[in-house]
Amino acid sequence: GESVGLHLPTLSVQEGDNSIINCAYSNSASDYFIWYKQESGKGPQFIIDIRSNMDKRQGQRVTVLLNKTVKHLSLQIAATQPGDSAVYFCADRALVAQGAQKLVFGQGTRLTINP
Amino acid sequence: NAGVTQTPKFRVLKTGQSMTLLCAQDMNHEYMYWYRQDPGMGLRLIHYSVGEGTTAKGEVPDGYNVSRLKKQNFLLGLESAAPSQTSVYFCASRRRTSGTDTQYFGPGTRLTVL
Repeated sequence: GESVGLHLPTLSVQEGDNSIINCAYSNSASDYFIWYKQESGKGPQFIIDIRSNMDKRQGQRVTVLLNKTVKHLSLQIAATQPGDSAVYFCADRALVAQGAQKLVFGQGTRLTINP
Repeated sequence: NAGVTQTPKFRVLKTGQSMTLLCAQDMNHEYMYWYRQDPGMGLRLIHYSVGEGTTAKGEVPDGYNVSRLKKQNFLLGLESAAPSQTSVYFCASRRRTSGTDTQYFGPGTRLTVL
């Protein structure tokens, strides 16, 4: 079956530095990927998504890169702030039935910001 | 516009007890989902619904039942709770549009089964 995995369970960065969170996926047919941020005690919050016909997509302070050759994507956060502390999940979608595509989540990377 | 809400936020059950988790969304979304999240793991799909009156099984449906009597509500039931069902449960909803799969999540329900 499909799987999505993150390279590191934890990542510590200095405030103001850039953060890079990596994710690998196994399903070469995956065509859509999402990054979610989950703060302690809260549900996952959508950050950014990217389709498989793109290599890069930028949002506000975040950039997602997709490398389909090696089935890898990354989330880059510029000028990391204390509010960026959270667990970050990558997910791809798999068709279940009747258009209700399910999300397949990785295990998450906990990002810690050092002052 | 409250988005996706879940009740209760916390619950402790004894083995064998039953309970229902309620999810409500006010975004008029067609699709709704129930996930569980265990420590160190990503979310796993329990059941989902593509519209009012329809439900289907996800990855880990055993021990759970669901109902979608109204479009805005999706209920998750545990008929006879087991310690293995100790987890954080998240509900999500999504609009029926092509191309994207942005799911909006509720704040979660933390369930402990003793």
